[in-house]
Amino acid sequence: AQKITQTQPGMFVQEKEAVTLDCTYDTSDQSYGLFWYKQPSSGEMIFLIYQGSYDEQNATEGRYSLNFQKARKSANLVISASQLGDSAMYFCAMREGKGANSKLTFGKGITLSVRP
Amino acid sequence: DVKVTQSSRYLVKRTGEKVFLECVQDMDHENMFWYRQDPGLGLRLIYFSYDVKMKEKGDIPEGYSVSREKKERFSLILESASTNQTSMYLCASSGPGPLSGELFFGEGSRLTVL
Repeated sequence: AQKITQTQPGMFVQEKEAVTLDCTYDTSDQSYGLFWYKQPSSGEMIFLIYQGSYDEQNATEGRYSLNFQKARKSANLVISASQLGDSAMYFCAMREGKGANSKLTFGKGITLSVRP
Repeated sequence: DVKVTQSSRYLVKRTGEKVFLECVQDMDHENMFWYRQDPGLGLRLIYFSYDVKMKEKGDIPEGYSVSREKKERFSLILESASTNQTSMYLCASSGPGPLSGELFFGEGSRLTVL
């Protein structure tokens, strides 16, 4: 079974509107971390936001927020007030384990296009 | 400014050649990772290392090996390149400690095997 599932096809949003990118995950660990990364066409991976499994509040970083629903095992990224520069590929990822066994598993990504 | 540097942005190799992809980080990070990225498949972990001379297999280690002789350097080796190893290879590093450690990525190495 996939650990991280991103099933949305390419997403489109109008500039200045909000958009939600879906991510569901699968783990039997109690302690884990969830990440979102952005990859623009230039190719670099940019860290956006992190949510710990024990964090009670949803993480926020500027225009990014993470809608964390633990019981449903979902960690959707919400981008408010979309900008043209938000057009990119977005990856959800999960870190399980600690120390030497800790590794990050990525989903397949979602392409977001922001329309002017 | 933190930096992960991959030695080559673009490489073209022939089937059967030995290929070295080098990655250096200047953040004194313990953990280093090699991923490959293919359209529709996202990033898949090949190998990772949590200390000098230590290595762990990721999800797709077949056909690859790694070397970590120094803390700052993590090399990915394709002993005998094949066309199905044509891909974008991403190196990343992270510090020690709890789950919150984010990954810092290099710019990627696009390898074409003919």
